[in-house]
Amino acid sequence: DIQMTQSPSSLSASVGDRVTITCRSSQTINRYLNWYLQKPGKAPKLLIYDASSLQSGVPSRFSGSGSGTDFTLTINSLQPEDFATYYCQQSYTTPLTFGGGTKLEIK
Amino acid sequence: EVQLLESGGGLVQPGGSLRLSCAASGFTFKNFAMSWVRQAPGKGLEWVSGIRGGGDRTYLADSVKGRFTISSDPSKNTLYLEMTGLRADDTALYYCAKSEDAVVVNYFESWGQGTLVTVSS
Repeated sequence: DIQMTQSPSSLSASVGDRVTITCRSSQTINRYLNWYLQKPGKAPKLLIYDASSLQSGVPSRFSGSGSGTDFTLTINSLQPEDFATYYCQQSYTTPLTFGGGTKLEIK
Repeated sequence: EVQLLESGGGLVQPGGSLRLSCAASGFTFKNFAMSWVRQAPGKGLEWVSGIRGGGDRTYLADSVKGRFTISSDPSKNTLYLEMTGLRADDTALYYCAKSEDAVVVNYFESWGQGTLVTVSS
């Protein structure tokens, strides 16, 4: 199985900050990497698919990059509603696997 | 608007069985791959099983192989997860999730609100 490793596991930031979350896969997954946001008590929400494609309706302050084994999610100008847990997920092959999550908290 | 409504969760004893359902609406069900993703209390996301649109191929995580079966009924726009031999570590909120492709179980553009399965004596 492909292991997905996110870093950091938690992060404190302020409204207006720019933050970057990293996801690394245990083997190459080309660009088959997706990012989700999850708020407490809610289902995950797709933000980015195929490494850098912005899902419809997602604000442009979210962006993704990377290929192969190393990927990043960047959030420009953090908004109050962005404080949540973020997960990466590879869709290169089954079993699909998720990263352990990054909890973004208000500083 | 895509809607996914899970049901069938509950409290079950170790070794017991349960069948989850996911009623889908707002899209042509047979044209999209579907999956079950679970989340243990306070933990991260784990993909459990997927099925191609049309139901001709299914996929299972190693942790549930031999115990869980995924299926779908396009005539009822419903996805199922038959769970047997349940263990304490199967305790989780089970989400139904829709892919954007018929053939490839890839990323999940729509999610239900989940149904809670608790395995305990």
